[in-house]
Amino acid sequence: AQTVTQSQPEMSVQEAETVTLSCTYDTSESNYYLFWYKQPPSRQMILVIRQEAYKQQNATENRFSVNFQKAAKSFSLKISDSQLGDTAMYFCAFMNPHTGTASKLTFGTGTRLQVTL
Amino acid sequence: DVKVTQSSRYLVKRTGEKVFLECVQDMDHENMFWYRQDPGLGLRLIYFSYDVKMKEKGDIPEGYSVSREKKERFSLILESASTNQTSMYLCASSFFGGTGAYEQYFGPGTRLTVT
Repeated sequence: AQTVTQSQPEMSVQEAETVTLSCTYDTSESNYYLFWYKQPPSRQMILVIRQEAYKQQNATENRFSVNFQKAAKSFSLKISDSQLGDTAMYFCAFMNPHTGTASKLTFGTGTRLQVTL
Repeated sequence: DVKVTQSSRYLVKRTGEKVFLECVQDMDHENMFWYRQDPGLGLRLIYFSYDVKMKEKGDIPEGYSVSREKKERFSLILESASTNQTSMYLCASSFFGGTGAYEQYFGPGTRLTVT
């Protein structure tokens, strides 16, 4: 079974600074998907960024980028120019597309990020 | 935009009651999921469904059942609620295939308290 580990329960960053959230995973698969989801306080969880394991290039979405190290099974999220609206719980998630018809996700335990003035 | 709605944001039930949590999605997604979210444990999959009337157990199905009679609706049932089922429950949906495959869209969650 796959496992996803987020070793930083809480982090804090000042507005406009850069912060990196860590995620490691364990799998014997060679093709899979990795995700970062954001859950703002009292709001719905939304997808931040997605990485396909067979793609060497790191995914980027505006101020959000990942550092995907396949050999090390590491998938960190970098948030540049942090904004107050980035305050949220961030979940790393893994998906093995070969487990059947449904795209099940395995989540990490989350990192609570606080952006301060 | 994909919309996933859940019937209640907050719910308080007594031990032993039968509890229904409803989830509806409006994007014709094949897959639907129920998770529970607990501090320090992340999201854990309870049940999922890949088609009408089809369901599979997730990682923590004990004490729960589900129903999917229509494609857009997925219900989570607590047959006899217990205090250890106090949690946040999240519903999600996804479709299978195409460029948007595998992304799950989440509802706002139902915070259930069992007293």
